[in-house]
Amino acid sequence: EADIYQTPRYLVIGTGKKITLECSQTMGHDKMYWYQQDPGMELHLIHYSYGVNSTEKGDLSSESTVSRIRTEHFPLTLESARPSHTSQYLCATAGTGHNEQFFGPGTRLTVL
Amino acid sequence: RKEVEQDPGPFNVPEGATVAFNCTYSNSASQSFFWYRQDCRKEPKLLMSVYSSGNEDGRFTAQLNRASQYISLLIRDSKLSDSATYLCVVTGTDKLIFGTGTRLQVFP
Repeated sequence: EADIYQTPRYLVIGTGKKITLECSQTMGHDKMYWYQQDPGMELHLIHYSYGVNSTEKGDLSSESTVSRIRTEHFPLTLESARPSHTSQYLCATAGTGHNEQFFGPGTRLTVL
Repeated sequence: RKEVEQDPGPFNVPEGATVAFNCTYSNSASQSFFWYRQDCRKEPKLLMSVYSSGNEDGRFTAQLNRASQYISLLIRDSKLSDSATYLCVVTGTDKLIFGTGTRLQVFP
């Protein structure tokens, strides 16, 4: 069954730590996205990729970075986590020629 | 002005009621339109695409009015399980633009 996976699902970490949030998909989709969403608030696009070796910044300024070395994986890295990074991070994919996006279950990050 | 505007609600309705959500968008070049559903602390899930001719999926009906740049979602015979936030989504330049969502609470 094609799906989107995100790990870890929950992460509590101290300030200053480097973290990588994983997103992988078995849907064969070229387009992948990272969103940030605070509870009860709207989604903000922080990064996206249209294929291997393609990455772009989204609408919301973010101190995170992404890479797309393989079609299936789109990890997001924070070099030095801060309390302001506390949020839910959602990964999504879309197929070529299609606009509808499919979301992973999200990673809920808390930085102390 | 936000690119996609929705009434945040909440809409509190009894089971069996019919409820309608509206959404306006500012980019007249938008080509694709969707409604997503998001449960509390969960990821958004695609509910339905919205076509120019309007479309129906069971108890759900979506309408698009390009001239007025307006999208609607009608839910008939509301169920308790319909309680969620409904996100209006339109295409922007190379990406989707999400509304802030309208919260629906169906009570017994």
